[in-house]
Amino acid sequence: EADIYQTPRYLVIGTGKKITLECSQTMGHDKMYWYQQDPGMELHLIHYSYGVNSTEKGDLSSESTVSRIRTEHFPLTLESARPSHTSQYLCASGGAGTETQYFGPGTRLLVL
Amino acid sequence: TQLLEQSPQFLSIQEGENLTVYCNSSSVFSSLQWYRQEPGEGPVLLVTVVTGGEVKKLKRLTFQFGDARKDSSLHITAAQPGDTGLYLCAGGSPRYNNNDMRFGAGTRLTVKP
Repeated sequence: EADIYQTPRYLVIGTGKKITLECSQTMGHDKMYWYQQDPGMELHLIHYSYGVNSTEKGDLSSESTVSRIRTEHFPLTLESARPSHTSQYLCASGGAGTETQYFGPGTRLLVL
Repeated sequence: TQLLEQSPQFLSIQEGENLTVYCNSSSVFSSLQWYRQEPGEGPVLLVTVVTGGEVKKLKRLTFQFGDARKDSSLHITAAQPGDTGLYLCAGGSPRYNNNDMRFGAGTRLTVKP
């Protein structure tokens, strides 16, 4: 069982608000990822990090930003939420030398 | 274009039946993972296979990695309602520029009691 946590699990917010989705892992993994997944659809990578102070954009363009100041923490921020941001956001982490990723429970975001 | 093609996309069966789902690609992978995801939750890792031809068993689930490491199958024996979920395969390769893995779109399995 992987030790990776996401908060909040559910968030309903109005358009224009700034939000931060939290992701933390206690496994000491260098690699961390953010995916976006609409209901019944595939996962799309939006951000990833291979270590502290390293962040890159993924395959799917996103208006969100991320930071990696500490190994265990990889928060995602939306400066101004819009209804098009409504989705499930999944955080994952993986150890060096392995391609396997372990996922958190996800944050379901609804922007009204 | 999906790098990993999963089939079937949807599968609905009765409890007790056997089933096989497939994950195919034209690319060679250094590893392949299978996950199961339930609605509103994150994917949970079931298995990682790394050697061509490798077979791994997890209770009633049997996973096989193709000899050429381009495809994989998941066989479930005597399916139960608790097996219901979205089954995702993901292929890993150090060749990828911006990610370690690519995900398939998944097979959505429903097992009816």
